[in-house]
Amino acid sequence: GQQLNQSPQSMFIQEGEDVSMNCTSSSIFNTWLWYKQDPGEGPVLLIALYKAGELTSNGRLTAQFGITRKDSFLNISASIPSDVGIYFCAGHRGGATNKLIFGTGTLLAVQP
Amino acid sequence: NAGVTQTPKFRVLKTGQSMTLLCAQDMNHEYMYWYRQDPGMGLRLIHYSVGEGTTAKGEVPDGYNVSRLKKQNFLLGLESAAPSQTSVYFCASTLKGLQHGGELFFGEGSRLTVL
Repeated sequence: GQQLNQSPQSMFIQEGEDVSMNCTSSSIFNTWLWYKQDPGEGPVLLIALYKAGELTSNGRLTAQFGITRKDSFLNISASIPSDVGIYFCAGHRGGATNKLIFGTGTLLAVQP
Repeated sequence: NAGVTQTPKFRVLKTGQSMTLLCAQDMNHEYMYWYRQDPGMGLRLIHYSVGEGTTAKGEVPDGYNVSRLKKQNFLLGLESAAPSQTSVYFCASTLKGLQHGGELFFGEGSRLTVL
């Protein structure tokens, strides 16, 4: 089945640094979602994007729905140790489908 | 608040054994899903349900069966476990369907090892 290409696969940064990650697809999506998974937990929704070009913030997190509808970006500003985890993008094609396509994840490690 | 609860959290099986994973949600959600998570693969949909008494196949349904006899419960069964089914399994639910912008709420996961 199709999966979204997410990059980078992993990042090791210092506390206070800004972080950027992205997700790309060969096909169009109508909804882009960003989830975070803490160690030993299930993913939790961070940001949902419903419109091409949309830019949405949630605290220090900002995500954008790419204008081509084939990509999305997540930025984290001034990272802190609790930002550690795996970040997943997910896309929904619209229509009646009840399926999300998930990215392969970006592992973020933050050194205090 | 319980949210989505999965049992068991860990299980080790021998090849050929059967088992059932239970997912329970107390949010009165209509839609429930079973995913598996493997390293470098993200989350892949196994089966899902759009309401009590209904189930549908996802992306990787082979070797699994599901049942939704009660709205709050979604069971995932492995009839004859294989090593390829070693994975972390996540249950999720949402009030309204994903096509209507429903937010997925995930359980904590069940780690299954098949020897």
